[in-house]
Amino acid sequence: DADVTQTPRNRITKTGKRIMLECSQTKGHDRMYWYRQDPGLGLRLIYYSFDVKDINKGEISDGYSVSRQAQAKFSLSLESAIPNQTALYFCATSDPTEAGEQFFGPGTRLTVL
Amino acid sequence: QKEVEQNSGPLSVPEGAIASLNCTYSDRGSQSFFWYRQYSGKSPELIMSIYSNGDKEDGRFTAQLNKASQYVSLLIRDSQPSDSATYLCASEVYGNNRLAFGKGNQVVVIP
Repeated sequence: DADVTQTPRNRITKTGKRIMLECSQTKGHDRMYWYRQDPGLGLRLIYYSFDVKDINKGEISDGYSVSRQAQAKFSLSLESAIPNQTALYFCATSDPTEAGEQFFGPGTRLTVL
Repeated sequence: QKEVEQNSGPLSVPEGAIASLNCTYSDRGSQSFFWYRQYSGKSPELIMSIYSNGDKEDGRFTAQLNKASQYVSLLIRDSQPSDSATYLCASEVYGNNRLAFGKGNQVVVIP
């Protein structure tokens, strides 16, 4: 089984809908991250969490919210989706002693019409 | 200014040649640097890390770091078609425990 899983893998939705993307990990890592990837823009950090009680905004948090339900689960929500949130979303985890080595989930391709 | 810049366009190299990728970073406090490889349609995976000035070799990959020039590079020797991917440069943001990624460089190895 994969160490970092994301659901759904693909999602098409309409403008104004609320969407939740979920991430689960079995690596036992405390740190979890949400990124979005757009062509020509690379990976951009949305939110990150160093433990269940520690949530931090990344470079592009506007329009997004997160929930760390447990050490193993980190969810990303789009409260009211808009077309420019169409992107590939990745969840990642890392160990505190190896912050640079991040393990990525398979990604969720989100399309907002 | 972006924290990590990768400005080269797609790089095409013949099989067996050396592929050279470069990136620059803006935060002089950054101490740790990483190269991730991302195959088309897949997620990034770490292939190299470097923390000290100089070269670090791992198989066919060599990472080079020059902190005075704020410059990181990746060399892929004896390039293989399986090396065709996008390579992402990243630095650990000083005092923040997060990574800043460049936009990536695509490498195409031509058989």
